[in-house]
Amino acid sequence: ETGVTQTPRHLVMGMTNKKSLKCEQHLGHNAMYWYKQSAKKPLELMFVYNFKEQTENNSVPSRFSPECPNSSHLFLHLHTLQPEDSALYLCASSQDSASGGAAQYFGPGTRLTVL
Amino acid sequence: DQQVKQNSPSLSVQEGRISILNCDYTNSMFDYFLWYKKYPAEGPTFLISISSIKDKNEDGRFTVFLNKSAKHLSLHIVPSQPGDSAVYFCAASGRTGANNLFFGTGTRLTVIP
Repeated sequence: ETGVTQTPRHLVMGMTNKKSLKCEQHLGHNAMYWYKQSAKKPLELMFVYNFKEQTENNSVPSRFSPECPNSSHLFLHLHTLQPEDSALYLCASSQDSASGGAAQYFGPGTRLTVL
Repeated sequence: DQQVKQNSPSLSVQEGRISILNCDYTNSMFDYFLWYKKYPAEGPTFLISISSIKDKNEDGRFTVFLNKSAKHLSLHIVPSQPGDSAVYFCAASGRTGANNLFFGTGTRLTVIP
């Protein structure tokens, strides 16, 4: 595997379910990101991890819980989501998160539908 | 309030001609600007970037121009090819601190053979 991979690619869940999104990067990067892309809206940054430490939480509701066990893996745990949380969730990585302008490399995304 | 704006949701261009995609921003503290390309069912792919100390950066068929006084940047693709058909996102970030990218809503480019 190369680049950034995400599983599952599609997920349908009910509002009472608990599920997790997984991201893995094979680029040797130290920073990882979660983004949300809703229809007709720009990508919104959710969380940033740099060297496994969370450095940014962009006012994300607690029903989204990130986990970064190491620099290569990032999870997004989902619990009691709302239908308006249906969106494309994208993971990205970069060399680090402290330097402005470092290109971020994206995975293919998980298309989430909350019923 | 959206800090990076792409006011044209779509653009159609004949193959071989120039494609010009535009982006405006409001935050004068942005120091880096990036363009990403996205095909359906794939994540955005980094294309080209420019820092605020430059006004032009070129990479093959792709050139990005930055006009800081107007808070405007553009991506030129010459010559346009059908494989360039995709959604193009403009993004910006600050100089220091977290590498938080602020994205525009994207412009869908269609290159007509």
